[in-house]
Amino acid sequence: GAGVSQSPSNKVTEKGKDVELRCDPISGHTALYWYRQSLGQGLEFLIYFQGNSAPDKSGLPSDRFSAERTGGSVSTLTIQRTQQEDSAVYLCASSPARVAGMYEQYFGPGTRLTVT
Amino acid sequence: KQEVTQIPAALSVPEGENLVLNCSFTDSAIYNLQWFRQDPGKGLTSLLLIQSSQREQTSGRLNASLDKSSGRSTLYIAASQPGDSATYLCAVSASGSRLTFGEGTQLTVNP
Repeated sequence: GAGVSQSPSNKVTEKGKDVELRCDPISGHTALYWYRQSLGQGLEFLIYFQGNSAPDKSGLPSDRFSAERTGGSVSTLTIQRTQQEDSAVYLCASSPARVAGMYEQYFGPGTRLTVT
Repeated sequence: KQEVTQIPAALSVPEGENLVLNCSFTDSAIYNLQWFRQDPGKGLTSLLLIQSSQREQTSGRLNASLDKSSGRSTLYIAASQPGDSATYLCAVSASGSRLTFGEGTQLTVNP
């Protein structure tokens, strides 16, 4: 079956530009997560959506980062005024969980962002 | 704050060896622990999920154990193969739903 998909797979942008990263979760999964994987930082949590509840934004590193999830399905992570330290692989995951943290998270292939 | 540590950071073994990867976490109040595999330039593939009430899970040549009280998990790989070469990540899900990841163990299985 279809897994989590992300687009684009690679994105190169100039410092100061805005970028949008897209995630299509597995159909029927109510929970959606964004993580960032940087060299030397490992994998870090960014934001979590569960159904119609208010998202947990506690992992977003600055107010330049925002995310939305439309119709309980597709999610977009937006980074405004990109900086070189934003260069990383951005991973999206989804889960069938209706109780937070109880089920497996399934990851997409990631978007590699390079800010020049 | 939950912290996850994986030892060793890198491991190189000859094909056919049995091996153990270690993971420790500082806060034992977890919902579950998940082991992932990551190939270079790829996303994460879930290998095993152990709920907090479980002691171990098995899938093929993989066996993962969990000792929640001591904050430890091990991933046992039997009869390793060159195709097992990858980075193995351990992650715990505590309050809230986010996963907290270790830094990973980079495994190389030599033919």
